[in-house]
Amino acid sequence: GENVEQHPSTLSVQEGDSAVIKCTYSDSASNYFPWYKQELGKGPQLIIDIRSNVGEKKDQRIAVTLNKTAKHFSLHITETQPEDSAVYFCAAVNAGKSTFGDGTTLTVKP
Amino acid sequence: NAGVTQTPKFRVLKTGQSMTLLCAQDMNHEYMYWYRQDPGMGLRLIHYSVGEGTTAKGEVPDGYNVSRLKKQNFLLGLESAAPSQTSVYFCASSHGFRTGGAGTEAFFGQGTRLTVV
Repeated sequence: GENVEQHPSTLSVQEGDSAVIKCTYSDSASNYFPWYKQELGKGPQLIIDIRSNVGEKKDQRIAVTLNKTAKHFSLHITETQPEDSAVYFCAAVNAGKSTFGDGTTLTVKP
Repeated sequence: NAGVTQTPKFRVLKTGQSMTLLCAQDMNHEYMYWYRQDPGMGLRLIHYSVGEGTTAKGEVPDGYNVSRLKKQNFLLGLESAAPSQTSVYFCASSHGFRTGGAGTEAFFGQGTRLTVV
């Protein structure tokens, strides 16, 4: 089955700096790659996604890149703010089933 | 605009007791999922359903059963709870596929924190 590895497990940045989280996947049949943000005590919520026929997507301060050949995708957050502090999960989706990375705890220091 | 609703939000069980977690969605989604979340281990799929009356095993199905008698509801049962089932449980739903086979976003409930003592 699919295996998703996510790095780093924790990330601490100063407010205004950029943050990058990277994921690799194993199953070339996966065709949808969402990123979720989970705040304390809440369920994960989609922040951005990318499909396998697209290499890059941007939405204001967040962007995602996908390299299908290397089977890796990354989340980029620019101009980080304290409210970006949360746990971020990547996922690889195949046939309606999502396999999640283990999560990255991002801390943005004011 | 409820989305995905889980009940209960918290529960403490004694070893060997049984319970059912209820998940309800109002988005007419075909697919529904149950995950457990443990520290440092992300979200692991327990069981899922691709439509009313169907269920399938996920990554960690042992000790759990599910039912999808109605499209909007997905029940997760623990027949004989064990301390290893202490976790936070999340239900999610999605459309499953877009035209052309591409995956779709999953919507999550708020979670159920279960402690087995």
